[in-house]
Amino acid sequence: DAKTTQPPSMDCAEGRAANLPCNHSTISGNEYVYWYRQIHSQGPQYIIHGLKNNETNEMASLIITEDRKSSTLILPHATLRDTAVYYCIVRVTYGNKLVFGAGTILRVKS
Amino acid sequence: NAGVMQNPRHLVRRRGQEARLRCSPMKGHSHVYWYRQLPEEGLKFMVYLQKENIIDESGMPKERFSAEFPKEGPSILRIQQVVRGDSAAYFCASSPDPTGDTQYFGPGTRLTVL
Repeated sequence: DAKTTQPPSMDCAEGRAANLPCNHSTISGNEYVYWYRQIHSQGPQYIIHGLKNNETNEMASLIITEDRKSSTLILPHATLRDTAVYYCIVRVTYGNKLVFGAGTILRVKS
Repeated sequence: NAGVMQNPRHLVRRRGQEARLRCSPMKGHSHVYWYRQLPEEGLKFMVYLQKENIIDESGMPKERFSAEFPKEGPSILRIQQVVRGDSAAYFCASSPDPTGDTQYFGPGTRLTVL
């Protein structure tokens, strides 16, 4: 699985959009980009995933660059409950396991 | 639809004892994954099981650790002769299909070895 690079931490004001970047310059053509988050002391939570098209669901939007070497997770209106560690993971589907890196600590502040 | 259930939520063992961690996947899910999170470290994959089969155990320590997912009942992660270094949070996840695209995690079992 390709390696990802994320900033160690970010701050965001409550109610504003949180934009979390992820670099995956060695991504292969059959690898997807996944985002999970872990709120303190809880199990990780799936957010969204995509291959090359932008994706949106009730939680977030995923923007993948045309060359697929980077992506951005967007939380449109961050709340205090969105404070968590966000993990960007690149893997092939049917790859079974998730390989978690250090992630980005997002702190949403009032 | 109940989520992934893990029990116990907290488990205390003395060195040399056995620890049994249970995971009940979401209804209809036949794919189970176990991950471990050591203090101040990231989540590490341990094992992937389907009903009655171990598919990938590449993350399992070679000794003392075993996992099963029987035809009936929960998945069990068993740690024999625990040592202090086994103290960690153990998370179970389940998926409805073999892609593993969406893994639903349980609340975890926090194992403390005295």
